[in-house]
Amino acid sequence: KAGVTQTPRYLIKTRGQQVTLSCSPISGHRSVSWYQQTPGQGLQFLFEYFSETQRNKGNFPGRFSGRQFSNSRSEMNVSTLELGDSALYLCASSLFPGSNQPQHFGDGTRLSIL
Amino acid sequence: GESVGLHLPTLSVQEGDNSIINCAYSNSASDYFIWYKQESGKGPQFIIDIRSNMDKRQGQRVTVLLNKTVKHLSLQIAATQPGDSAVYFCAENSLGETSGSRLTFGEGTQLTVNP
Repeated sequence: KAGVTQTPRYLIKTRGQQVTLSCSPISGHRSVSWYQQTPGQGLQFLFEYFSETQRNKGNFPGRFSGRQFSNSRSEMNVSTLELGDSALYLCASSLFPGSNQPQHFGDGTRLSIL
Repeated sequence: GESVGLHLPTLSVQEGDNSIINCAYSNSASDYFIWYKQESGKGPQFIIDIRSNMDKRQGQRVTVLLNKTVKHLSLQIAATQPGDSAVYFCAENSLGETSGSRLTFGEGTQLTVNP
C-alpha cells in the first residue's frame, strides 16, 4: 500500500512569488492535514481537510490556503512568499478526522525562499 | 497556548540498552497521544499511540506509558539499535474524537545510539 505522496520534494522560490504544493493521501484515507516544520518553531498545524471542506485551521496568515479534491488529494498554496516561509511542509492523512486514528505523514516538500 | 513539551533535547545510549524518552503535556482535555520517529530527510513515522483511557500500551520493542495525573507521557525502546537513531516527537490530538484532527507536537528528542 503506497504511503502519503508529496510533490515536489524540493522547491526554490523568491520573495513575493506564490507556490502550490500537492499531496496524495494513502488510498482510502479521506482526511488530510498540513503541517509546517522549521528549526525554530518545530511542527505546527496549518489546516485539515475532509470531504473537500476545511475543518480546522491553525494560526497562520491568510496567505496560507488549501483545498481538497473529490478524490481526497489536497493542495496547499502560499501567496506572496516571505523569507520566513522557508520550511519543510508536511502532509498527513488518516481515515477520518477526529477518529483517534494515527495520521501518517509524507516525506514533505522542502521550500526555500531566496 | 497549549503545547506538548519534551524534557530532554538529546539522549545518547549504547546499543542494546533500553531508552526512555519523556514528554510533558499541558492540555488536560487531550484524549489521544502519538509517538513519531523522524529520520533525516524524511517525514515523521508513526511508532505507537495511546488513548487517554489507557495507561500503558506495548508494541514491538516499544512501550508507551501515560500518566494523566501528572500529564506525562513516555516512550520506552527496548534493546536500542543503531537504526533507532532519530528525532522522536510526542504529539497530542487536542480537539477530541469528533471535532477533528489537530496534532500539537513537542519539541523533539534526538536519540543517538552508539555502537
